[in-house]
Amino acid sequence: DIQMTQSPSSLSASVGDRVTITCQASQDIRNHVNWYQHKPGRTPKLLIYDASNLETGFPSRFSGSGSGTDFTFTISGLQPEDVATYYCQHYDGLPLFGGGTKVEVK
Amino acid sequence: QVQVVQSGAEVKKPGASVKVSCKTSGYMFTAYYVHWVRQASGQGLEWMGRIYPNSGGTDYARKFQGRVIMTRDTSINTAYMEVSRLRSDDTGVYYCVVYNDKDFWGQGTLVTVSS
Repeated sequence: DIQMTQSPSSLSASVGDRVTITCQASQDIRNHVNWYQHKPGRTPKLLIYDASNLETGFPSRFSGSGSGTDFTFTISGLQPEDVATYYCQHYDGLPLFGGGTKVEVK
Repeated sequence: QVQVVQSGAEVKKPGASVKVSCKTSGYMFTAYYVHWVRQASGQGLEWMGRIYPNSGGTDYARKFQGRVIMTRDTSINTAYMEVSRLRSDDTGVYYCVVYNDKDFWGQGTLVTVSS
């Protein structure tokens, strides 16, 4: 089974900071990665699909990149409303989520 | 518009089974997988499996094989997920998800396993 190692598990940053989360796959998964945002008390939402495509309705400060085994999710200018847990998910074969990154604002 | 509505909260004893329903509307039910995702208490998201309503074919995550059964009723555009031999660490929120141009999540079903 393909494993996804996500890091860090949590982070705290100031408003306006650049935030980066990484996911590493245990084997080549091309660009078959989604990123989700899960706010407390809400349902998760798909934010980035195919590693780098931003879902409609999300601001451009969110971005994703990578292919093969290494993937990055970035918030360019953290906002208070971005407090959430973010998950990567591969879908190369049976889907699997990474462990999640809890993002807080200082 | 696509709607995904799940059944209500359940409280079960250890060893029992629970069956959660996921009623969909607004799209062709048989054309898109229905996925099941859970968030066990204090844990992250876990992909449990999926069913293809057209054929009834299923794929399960290794962790849930043998303990989870996914079914569907195409006459009422509804998918079901049954978890057997429940344990306390199965307590959590269970979601069904449909990917149809974008993701559509059910509201979640809280399953509490407690003696």
